[in-house]
Amino acid sequence: QKEVEQNSGPLSVPEGAIASLNCTYSDRGSQSFFWYRQYSGKSPELIMSIYSNGDKEDGRFTAQLNKASQYVSLLIRDSQPSDSATYLCAVNDDYKLSFGAGTTVTVRA
Amino acid sequence: DARVTQTPRHKVTEMGQEVTMRCQPILGHNTVFWYRQTMMQGLELLAYFRNRAPLDDSGMPKDRFSAEMPDATLATLKIQPSEPRDSAVYFCASGFEGSQYFGPGTRLTVL
Repeated sequence: QKEVEQNSGPLSVPEGAIASLNCTYSDRGSQSFFWYRQYSGKSPELIMSIYSNGDKEDGRFTAQLNKASQYVSLLIRDSQPSDSATYLCAVNDDYKLSFGAGTTVTVRA
Repeated sequence: DARVTQTPRHKVTEMGQEVTMRCQPILGHNTVFWYRQTMMQGLELLAYFRNRAPLDDSGMPKDRFSAEMPDATLATLKIQPSEPRDSAVYFCASGFEGSQYFGPGTRLTVL
């Protein structure tokens, strides 16, 4: 199982601020990277995927990938209370995904 | 709106009973995964299938857990006999080209 490390959190940010989530992975050969959001009591929901170095934006979310540094991040701009959740980083491992332990984000009004 | 479905959503049973959980993957997805999630262990991969063939079930306690995919529309996870330590949320996910989409989960409580 490939290792995927996330900053443990919890991360508390004020409403309207940028939340920054970080993830590092052990296998330099990994090609696909995903961010999942999991609300308490719900299942993980895929919110972003990234495959190439650089930034990928989708609404208020930006995923950043740096394969040389084996680092992937997720930025949440203009954070809203509805963004309060646990965010899981996942990296491909053949046909399956290796997941990080998750970072819990709380957006305070 | 294609979704992974799981039944039952909740299951309370007594130690020693058999538990069967079912999953209907998204049509066209060729990989199916079973996960278990607890507060202590996080998300654990139990088993997965590609094109209905089991690829890896090393995450499962072999003596009591079994996973099958009798056809492309149904995956099952069975626990026999169940134990209190099996209490957890069990997720099925189906995938295509690396992405995985999770079902709503089965919350299992073994008394």
